[in-house]
Amino acid sequence: AQKITQTQPGMFVQEKEAVTLDCTYDTSDPSYGLFWYKQPSSGEMIFLIYQGSYDQQNATEGRYSLNFQKARKSANLVISASQLGDSAMYFCAMREVSFGNEKLTFGTGTRLTIIP
Amino acid sequence: DADVTQTPRNRITKTGKRIMLECSQTKGHDRMYWYRQDPGLGLQLIYYSFDVKDINKGEISDGYSVSRQAQAKFSLSLESAIPNQTALYFCATSGTSSPDTQYFGPGTRLTVL
Repeated sequence: AQKITQTQPGMFVQEKEAVTLDCTYDTSDPSYGLFWYKQPSSGEMIFLIYQGSYDQQNATEGRYSLNFQKARKSANLVISASQLGDSAMYFCAMREVSFGNEKLTFGTGTRLTIIP
Repeated sequence: DADVTQTPRNRITKTGKRIMLECSQTKGHDRMYWYRQDPGLGLQLIYYSFDVKDINKGEISDGYSVSRQAQAKFSLSLESAIPNQTALYFCATSGTSSPDTQYFGPGTRLTVL
């Protein structure tokens, strides 16, 4: 089974609208971290936001927020007031802490295109 | 200046050649990682190191080796490059305190002909 699933291979959104990128995960580790990264066409991986499995509140970083629904094992990224510069690939990733798993497990990504 | 740098940024080589990719960081992190990304996919871990004397295999280490020359430097070698090692290679670093976010370098685009 996939540990990280991103079901939207591509999305088109009008500029200034909010957008939600879906991410579901699968783990039996009670302690884990969820991360979102942005990969623009230039190729670098840019860290956006983090949510810990024990965090009581949803994480927020500027225009980015994470809609964390633990029981549903989902960690959707919400971008408010989208901008043309938000066009990029977005990856959801998980690190399972208790299992001593040091790697980040990545989803296959969602390509977001912002339309002017 | 970037916190995590990778050299070279682009490299084209031939099958059978030995290639070294280098990574340096100024973040003061102990942990360093090498990942590869194939087109249309997420990243896969090749090797990681928690300190200068610590080297660990990731999920796809066959055909690769690494060297941790100093806290700030972590090199990836392809002893005899083959075409299916054509990919985008990323170095990443992280600290030891939560949330131990991994910060990535700009990537090295490697093409093996």
